[in-house]
Amino acid sequence: DIVMTQSPDSLAVSLGERATFNCKSSQSVLYSPNNKNYLAWYQQKPGQPPKLLIYWSSTRESGVPDRFSGSGSGTDFTLTISSLQAEDVAVYYCQQYYSAPITFGQGTRLEIK
Amino acid sequence: QVQLVESGGGVVQPGMSLRLSCAASGFTFSSYGMHWVRQAPGKGLEWVAVISYDGTNNYYGDSVKGRFTISRDISKNTLYLQMNSLRPEDTAMYYCARGKVDTALITSFDNWGQGTLVTVSS
Repeated sequence: DIVMTQSPDSLAVSLGERATFNCKSSQSVLYSPNNKNYLAWYQQKPGQPPKLLIYWSSTRESGVPDRFSGSGSGTDFTLTISSLQAEDVAVYYCQQYYSAPITFGQGTRLEIK
Repeated sequence: QVQLVESGGGVVQPGMSLRLSCAASGFTFSSYGMHWVRQAPGKGLEWVAVISYDGTNNYYGDSVKGRFTISRDISKNTLYLQMNSLRPEDTAMYYCARGKVDTALITSFDNWGQGTLVTVSS
């Protein structure tokens, strides 16, 4: 199984500042024939189901604000919120869909400083 | 718009069975792989199972393999999860989710239901 490890476990950022989340996979999730990283990011607010933000490591889902961006390749990935808004308070998860079983990171909790 | 509505959760004793349902609408149900994902109280996300768009293939997470069965009824636009030999560690919110890439089995999830809570306790 591919183990996904996120860091930090929690993050406190001031409004308007940048928030950066890290995700590391135990093996590469880059599929060479199509040069795609099988890595997604989700946002989960309290009492709500997760919401897809980013897929293929850097493609923003329709309707997601452009302050959210994803980067990285192979085993190391980053989700960035360029200018934190109050509504961004949530837990953020990375997920690999390179191989079964699908696995998630443990999540990073984002708070306002 | 895409809607996924889970039902069937509740409180059951260890060793008992439960069947969850997920009613789908707003899209061509028969064209998408469908998943179950669970979340224990205060914990992270755990993928449970997937069934292919045509129902011919499925995969399970190690923790539920041999106890849970995923199925779908295309005529009713409904996804199911039959859960047998339930354990206290199966206590969680169970979400159904649509695979983002329609015919792919292992993919990200672009739509989620609100979930149904399963509690396994004596």
